[in-house]
Amino acid sequence: GDSVTQMEGPVTLSEEAFLTINCTYTATGYPSLFWYVQYPGEGLQLLLKATKADDKGSNKGFEATYRKETTSFHLEKGSVQVSDSAVYFCALSDFMTTDSWGKLQFGAGTQVVVTP
Amino acid sequence: GAGVSQSPSNKVTEKGKDVELRCDPISGHTALYWYRQSLGQGLEFLIYFQGNSAPDKSGLPSDRFSAERTGGSVSTLTIQRTQQEDSAVYLCASSHGQGIYEQYFGPGTRLTVT
Repeated sequence: GDSVTQMEGPVTLSEEAFLTINCTYTATGYPSLFWYVQYPGEGLQLLLKATKADDKGSNKGFEATYRKETTSFHLEKGSVQVSDSAVYFCALSDFMTTDSWGKLQFGAGTQVVVTP
Repeated sequence: GAGVSQSPSNKVTEKGKDVELRCDPISGHTALYWYRQSLGQGLEFLIYFQGNSAPDKSGLPSDRFSAERTGGSVSTLTIQRTQQEDSAVYLCASSHGQGIYEQYFGPGTRLTVT
């Protein structure tokens, strides 16, 4: 079945450092890819998405590019802030596959801690 | 506007008791999903509703778990004869429909089975 693998955390960074969180996937169909973020004490929020190969999703300074050839969707931010401290989840949904119903398949999550 | 709400926010129950968890989706959202977030299993899909019907129950871990949705709105997830391994955060999400629509998540219900 479909699956998502992302790098384990916690990832600890200083403010203004460059952040990369690796995410790779396996899917039988042609999935859409997502990054969700969970800030401390808050619910899951969609951070960005990409629905086809070579699409780049971006939001709040974060970017991720859908790479079909490497089955990857790595999350990057050039200069992190303390407020970016959160747990980040990579996810896929295979809308084109019968019976997928749009449900999300999540990676294990990566905790990011940004220190001043 | 109002987001997805869930109640209770926390629930502590004794092993063997039944519990009901409630989800109020965003008004007008026809699709509703339940997920479970636990330390050992991460985030797992449980069940999907389109309107009041549940075409995908494939994620329900056992027959002790059931869910219903009424009026195309509120959904209730029921766990019978709770076990310690049911301890988790239960998340509800809603979206405009099946397809490439953003799923909006509620804050979750933290269930602890003692």
